[in-house]
Amino acid sequence: GENVEQHPSTLSVQEGDSAVIKCTYSDSASNYFPWYKQELGKRPQLIIDIRSNVGEKKDQRIAVTLNKTAKHFSLHITETQPEDSAVYFCAASSTGFQKLVFGTGTRLLVSP
Amino acid sequence: DAGVTQSPTHLIKTRGQQVTLRCSPKSGHDTVSWYQQALGQGPQFIFQYYEEEERQRGNFPDRFSGHQFPNYSSELNVNALLLGDSALYLCASSSPGQSYEQYFGPGTRLTVT
Repeated sequence: GENVEQHPSTLSVQEGDSAVIKCTYSDSASNYFPWYKQELGKRPQLIIDIRSNVGEKKDQRIAVTLNKTAKHFSLHITETQPEDSAVYFCAASSTGFQKLVFGTGTRLLVSP
Repeated sequence: DAGVTQSPTHLIKTRGQQVTLRCSPKSGHDTVSWYQQALGQGPQFIFQYYEEEERQRGNFPDRFSGHQFPNYSSELNVNALLLGDSALYLCASSSPGQSYEQYFGPGTRLTVT
């Protein structure tokens, strides 16, 4: 069945550094790739998403890249801040409003 | 604009009991999806409701059932609770005609003892 692998499981960086989280999906029909940020005890919140007809999307300090051939997509956070500390989940869907298949999450810790 | 709401916030049940969780979608949304998030894991898709019918289902047993009402709100029912059903149950709403984004509610924390 569909599977999304996410690496690393934990990531520690210093404030101001960049952070990169990588995901690989198995379903070649996947065409929508959102990234969610989940703070402790809170709901997942969408931070950025990308569709398969686009290779890269940027929103201020956050960017997502997609390589359809390799079935890889990545989240890039630049100039990290302590408030970026959270668990980040990637997900994939074969159509935007259908079920999301989530990765296992990456715990990002940004130290001041 | 009210976002996705869920009730109750927390729930403690005994093995073998039944539970009903509730979700009200974001205003303007007509599709509701349910996810189970075990501690330290990513959310797992349970099922999705649209026009009061189950449109898609994940790999969950028949003990998990749901319903969607004419006002688009939804319920998740779990029968014969097992210890392994302890998790955070998330509801997400969306509107396919508007956007791909799924908005999540705060979740219901279910503990089965």
